[in-house]
Amino acid sequence: AQKVTQAQTEISVVEKEDVTLDCVYETRDTTYYLFWYKQPPSGELVFLIRRNSFDEQNEISGRYSWNFQKSTSSFNFTITASQVVDSAVYFCALRNSGGSNYKLTFGKGTLLTVNP
Amino acid sequence: EAQVTQNPRYLITVTGKKLTVTCSQNMNHEYMSWYRQDPGLGLRQIYYSMNVEVTDKGDVPEGYKVSRKEKRNFPLILESPSPNQTSLYFCASSPLGGRTYEQYFGPGTRLTVT
Repeated sequence: AQKVTQAQTEISVVEKEDVTLDCVYETRDTTYYLFWYKQPPSGELVFLIRRNSFDEQNEISGRYSWNFQKSTSSFNFTITASQVVDSAVYFCALRNSGGSNYKLTFGKGTLLTVNP
Repeated sequence: EAQVTQNPRYLITVTGKKLTVTCSQNMNHEYMSWYRQDPGLGLRQIYYSMNVEVTDKGDVPEGYKVSRKEKRNFPLILESPSPNQTSLYFCASSPLGGRTYEQYFGPGTRLTVT
């Protein structure tokens, strides 16, 4: 069975601080896909990144960076120099490659509050 | 613009009154799915469809029905809603196969059952 754990329920930081959101996953598949989504107060889900299990290269996109480590089954997300607009719930999700269901298994989310 | 649309966005209803939440995508995706989001539980899959006339249960299908008569539409039907179905619902779509594994989500439907 698949499982995604986001141990941090809530994080509060002051603007310009760096913050890391943790994600640990469990799966028996050797090929799988990891995602991060952002859910701002308006409620929609915004896709941030997808990472394939066979590609452990870390990625940076502006102030966002992701650290994928298969050895520890982790896919952590760092926001550098946080801004108030980064305040949202962030979800980590996992999808296996096979089967007929492209179901995303989500973590329970981390509520990030960035204070001015 | 490529998108997934849901209607209504907000709905307050009473126990037992049948309702349908519509979902439509304009990307010609084969795969569509419904999720519900509840505080502390994240998002859980209700039903999914691999193509027209092909649907199957997700993790929490009780109390819901779906149909897939057209490729673009995947309505979620609550025949007799109950208060425990009060939730935020998301429809998602994705192409089958290929190298794109992102699921495109609709804007969400906030349902309250009293």
